Amino acid sequence: EADIYQTPRYLVIGTGKKITLECSQTMGHDKMYWYQQDPGMELHLIHYSYGVNSTEKGDLSSESTVSRIRTEHFPLTLESARPSHTSQYLCASSERAGVTEKLFFGSGTQLSVL
Amino acid sequence: GQQLNQSPQSMFIQEGEDVSMNCTSSSIFNTWLWYKQDPGEGPVLLIALYKAGELTSNGRLTAQFGITRKDSFLNISASIPSDVGIYFCAGRGGSNYKLTFGKGTLLTVNP
Repeated sequence: EADIYQTPRYLVIGTGKKITLECSQTMGHDKMYWYQQDPGMELHLIHYSYGVNSTEKGDLSSESTVSRIRTEHFPLTLESARPSHTSQYLCASSERAGVTEKLFFGSGTQLSVL
Repeated sequence: GQQLNQSPQSMFIQEGEDVSMNCTSSSIFNTWLWYKQDPGEGPVLLIALYKAGELTSNGRLTAQFGITRKDSFLNISASIPSDVGIYFCAGRGGSNYKLTFGKGTLLTVNP
């Protein structure tokens, strides 16, 4: 089972601020993901990475950006936060294993932009 | 793209009752995963299914990969209050290995 950590757990911030949500995993997984989830709603893929220096946009358009400089680290950045960015952000990782791939999620960051 | 229909959207049951929820797909899937999400937490993997007809149990939970490869169900027997949460199905099909999530089933268990 993967150990995947997200910080902060909760963040309340004013409009226009730059924020970075941290995600780290200790299992050496190649693939990492960011999902956005509104309360009680489905998960929407916003970014993913197949490995170092690989980043791709997901199904849901997002104004956030990501980077993957190290295998274990996949931070997400919002250059200028807006109230519409208020949501829960979930990071996940998996081994590259084709059809048997399983995603393991962090505890999430609940972002509130005032 | 691939779409999943998960039902029911929500369930209110009494402690001790059995629960069943399911997901159907418009296309054939190679993998079905079932997750549970507690409030304020990330989803936790419950059961993974990889073969049509496969039936897998995890304690009081049982999930099956449908023979047509277009559906899966999750059963919870003898529900307890800590079963409360949102249950998500997720499926993967085709060649891109991208995981598609259902919209979730919110389960409430009354003691």
